[in-house]
Amino acid sequence: DTEVTQTPKHLVMGMTNKKSLKCEQHMGHRAMYWYKQKAKKPPELMFVYSYEKLSINESVPSRFSPECPNSSLLNLHLHALQPEDSALYLCASSQVNWVGEAFFGQGTRLTVV
Amino acid sequence: ELKVEQNPLFLSMQEGKNYTIYCNYSTTSDRLYWYRQDPGKSLESLFVLLSNGAVKQEGRLMASLDTKARLSTLHITAAVHDLSATYFCAVDRDDKIIFGKGTRLHILP
Repeated sequence: DTEVTQTPKHLVMGMTNKKSLKCEQHMGHRAMYWYKQKAKKPPELMFVYSYEKLSINESVPSRFSPECPNSSLLNLHLHALQPEDSALYLCASSQVNWVGEAFFGQGTRLTVV
Repeated sequence: ELKVEQNPLFLSMQEGKNYTIYCNYSTTSDRLYWYRQDPGKSLESLFVLLSNGAVKQEGRLMASLDTKARLSTLHITAAVHDLSATYFCAVDRDDKIIFGKGTRLHILP
């Protein structure tokens, strides 16, 4: 199984809503990542988890809250988002220290209204 | 600051032609990656180049790495419409991937 599964595929939320994005992999990867991608731009790293511990936070606003409950799951909790947060959110996983050999999920297309 | 620069950023070409996308990066790294992304889709890993002089080929795509020049190329041979996509190169540093801006490749039938 070489898949990274993200749910939901699409999400529309209001600025006062709380929602969560989910990501799952069963490849035994101990590094997991959240990226944000705006249209016609490259992905931007948000968070890195290594061995279920947050190792990198790229100065992401606190309205985005990551969580790694176990080695297979990664969540991104969303609260009080702004319209400019609308984007494609990509989850990825890899072996630790092999960040470039990551498998990416299909993404969640988020629209904040 | 690590910078990754791709050129061209947009390329429209006829089927059957050859072309090369260039990726320059600003600091030492022995690992360079190429990804493909179709519109609205996720990233697909194409090539992992791990050392100076590395060359990898898959179908009509060939990637190479010159770490001394800090340059990687992605060469397209006899392009076909199915290769239309955005291609990103990326370099890793300190457990992060730094992506280039991407090259939007449009192949005309």
